Amino acid sequence: AQKVTQAQTEISVVEKEDVTLDCVYETRDTTYYLFWYKQPPSGELVFLIRRNSFDEQNEISGRYSWNFQKSTSSFNFTITASQVVDSAVYFCALSRIQGAQKLVFGQGTRLTINP
Amino acid sequence: EAGVAQSPRYKIIEKRQSVAFWCNPISGHATLYWYQQILGQGPKLLIQFQNNGVVDDSQLPKDRFSAERLKGVDSTLKIQPAKLEDSAVYLCASSLGIEITGELFFGEGSRLTVL
Repeated sequence: AQKVTQAQTEISVVEKEDVTLDCVYETRDTTYYLFWYKQPPSGELVFLIRRNSFDEQNEISGRYSWNFQKSTSSFNFTITASQVVDSAVYFCALSRIQGAQKLVFGQGTRLTINP
Repeated sequence: EAGVAQSPRYKIIEKRQSVAFWCNPISGHATLYWYQQILGQGPKLLIQFQNNGVVDDSQLPKDRFSAERLKGVDSTLKIQPAKLEDSAVYLCASSLGIEITGELFFGEGSRLTVL
């Protein structure tokens, strides 16, 4: 069975601080996809990134960066120099590559950036 | 480009009543998903369509939930009779193809409160 755990229920930081959101996953598959989605107050989930289990290179996109470590089954997300607009609920998700494909989401981390 | 449209945004009903939610995916997207998001939890897949065929409905409570996708475009999710534990946000999403290689596009959701 697949499972995603986001142990941090809520995080609150002051604007311009760096913040890391943790994600730990469980799967028996040798190949899989990992995702991060953002859910702002409006409700729709917004895709941020997809990583293939083949590729453990870290990725940076502007103020966002992702650290994928297969050895510890973690896929952490860091926001550098946080801004108030980053306030949202962030979800980590896992999907199989072969066979039935569906996103399995973690419980989410509510991030609040205070001015 | 228009996003995924859902209606109604909010619905309050009493237990044992019925309710229906409507979703219009992004034009040209073959795959449509219905997710249930209970407060404080990550979204859980209820049913996945490709065109007008069901790909996965393993987590759909079929004794009370039903869904259809007529002509492979719009979709309706129905709950009859509703239970208190059905209180949640029902998210519709669409993607271009069946493979989870790209992003899912989510609507803003329909929030259901069962009293």
